[in-house]
Amino acid sequence: AQTVTQSQPEMSVQEAETVTLSCTYDTSESDYYLFWYKQPPSRQMILVIRQEAYKQQNATENRFSVNFQKAAKSFSLKISDSQLGDAAMYFCAERAGNMLTFGGGTRLMVKP
Amino acid sequence: SQTIHQWPATLVQPVGSPLSLECTVEGTSNPNLYWYRQAAGRGLQLLFYSVGIGQISSEVPQNLSASRPQDRQFILSSKKLLLSDSGFYLCAWIGSENHNGYTFGSGTRLTVV
Repeated sequence: AQTVTQSQPEMSVQEAETVTLSCTYDTSESDYYLFWYKQPPSRQMILVIRQEAYKQQNATENRFSVNFQKAAKSFSLKISDSQLGDAAMYFCAERAGNMLTFGGGTRLMVKP
Repeated sequence: SQTIHQWPATLVQPVGSPLSLECTVEGTSNPNLYWYRQAAGRGLQLLFYSVGIGQISSEVPQNLSASRPQDRQFILSSKKLLLSDSGFYLCAWIGSENHNGYTFGSGTRLTVV
């Protein structure tokens, strides 16, 4: 069975600074995919970034990038130039087959 | 393009009343469909998933049930609501033909009073 762990229940960052959210996972699958979702106060789940496990290159989407360490089973999210609108719950997830396993989430607060 | 609709957005129901939440997907066929529940400030709990019409898998034994009467329709029901059924319910779908993540509906905030 897959497990996904987010060890930081809460994080805070100053506006315009950089923050890194941690995620580790445990899987026996050789073919899997990793995701970060953002859940703002509206509670709509929004896909932030996606990483294929077979790709060594780290995914990047504008101010969001990941540090994917396959051997360590680590998948952290880096947010650069943090904005007030980045304040949200962030969930890390792993897809194996047709099921996603989610971490417990990290609440990110952005200080003006 | 694929879209997912979930309704109602907000619901306040008395204890012991029935429940029906509906989710429909457009622009795809044979999606895998999921119901999740989320307590305030907490993570996602998988309730049910379905890989096809009439095929329902339950992850957590409880007061709720799910049905899939049509390919792109997924319904969450209860005959008699409990206070503990309060929460935020999310429907999601995923396609088997790609490697994307879930696409989520906008959610239903259920308060049982």
